[in-house]
Amino acid sequence: EVQLVQSGAEVKKPGESLKISCKGSGYSFTSYWIGWVRQMPGKGLEWMGIIYPGDSDTRYSPSFQGQVTISADKSISTAYLQWSSLKASDTAMYYCARGGTAVAGTWSPWGQGTLVTVSS
Amino acid sequence: DIQMTQSPSSLSASVGDRVTITCRASQGISNSLAWYQQKPGKAPKLLLYAASRLESGVPSRFSGSGSGTDYTLTISSLQPEDFATYYCQQYYSTLYTFGQGTKLEIK
Repeated sequence: EVQLVQSGAEVKKPGESLKISCKGSGYSFTSYWIGWVRQMPGKGLEWMGIIYPGDSDTRYSPSFQGQVTISADKSISTAYLQWSSLKASDTAMYYCARGGTAVAGTWSPWGQGTLVTVSS
Repeated sequence: DIQMTQSPSSLSASVGDRVTITCRASQGISNSLAWYQQKPGKAPKLLLYAASRLESGVPSRFSGSGSGTDYTLTISSLQPEDFATYYCQQYYSTLYTFGQGTKLEIK
């Protein structure tokens, strides 16, 4: 079974750093893009960026360029999303998703989500 | 960026109803459109891609159509488990964008 399992919920203070993870299993991790999506409380879905673990080719949405870093460690089939200095406005649910098999740009399956709360 | 606009933003319907959700792109996207379903507290789930192709395992009461800039998701006969929020997403541009979502509620 193809599965993405994300790290657990985090509570952080403004200015702190954070790295959350997304571990893939049941497929060749290096052969599919992984994407990250933000969902702020009560709001819709926003694309943050994508990474191809095979060669670490990474692309960011302009809204998130410079705000976060996406990386991957193919030796442990894990993608990461990290912040160097969190803000209260980073409070959200973050999802990872695997690029589709039939068509590039579709995303399935998704991880269960990681809730990040940033509060002083 | 390609902007995706869904309508309506919310919709009340009854079990057994036929419902249609519309998604309009700010430019032509050549059927490069996917639909996702998200239930409260859960991750989104891919329903359709290429505007009209059903993802494996998705019930046939879900269908999609459209071309150019205008696309629709239709649920032919609503079931209790279909009450959720639906998002369209374009992948014509690699600056992927979602619609704002349509919340489907029980009347």
